[in-house]
Amino acid sequence: AAGVIQSPRHLIKEKRETATLKCYPIPRHDTVYWYQQGPGQDPQFLISFYEKMQSDKGSIPDRFSAQQFSDYHSELNMSSLELGDSALYFCASSLSRENTGELFFGEGSRLTVL
Amino acid sequence: KQEVTQIPAALSVPEGENLVLNCSFTDSAIYNLQWFRQDPGKGLTSLLLIQSSQREQTSGRLNASLDKSSGRSTLYIAASQPGDSATYLCAGGGSNDYKLSFGAGTTVTVRA
Repeated sequence: AAGVIQSPRHLIKEKRETATLKCYPIPRHDTVYWYQQGPGQDPQFLISFYEKMQSDKGSIPDRFSAQQFSDYHSELNMSSLELGDSALYFCASSLSRENTGELFFGEGSRLTVL
Repeated sequence: KQEVTQIPAALSVPEGENLVLNCSFTDSAIYNLQWFRQDPGKGLTSLLLIQSSQREQTSGRLNASLDKSSGRSTLYIAASQPGDSATYLCAGGGSNDYKLSFGAGTTVTVRA
């Protein structure tokens, strides 16, 4: 079965640079979530989209933005990168009308800021 | 806002012993609860999902219970093996958008 695909899996950037992470949800899933997991931390919710509209916002810095496109894939754009942005970024997807509410996670994108 | 706590933060047991991992949450209006396994530097592997209307779920050596009234979930791993060594995270889902709130995890070491 198809899973959530994230790219790139690994990314190295310099401070003040820009990075873009991509997420391809499971086919037919209409909701995408982004999480950030710093070293030794639990995953923190950043932002979610339902049917291409932002549905909820968590602790996402103003330097970050995200959107969900017509094909339901999502991109997380991070600008003016700081050392503290080094983390594992997870994308998850769900099907809103699926009553289980289960979230399916991708393998994550590891961002290292030097 | 859902707050999820996991105690203990770390656990070390000899091989063959049963594991008991605890998770507590503050909002009893939880929609579901998911348990995940995470190996160092790796992604989240979903283990079990318990709906708010359910009391427990089982998969192989794993059994998870949910008690909404007390705000607790417990993950039992029977007859632990060294391959069970990992960090186990529980996460509570909200009813509006299924967004998950994670606990900090319990890091398990099973000694051969």
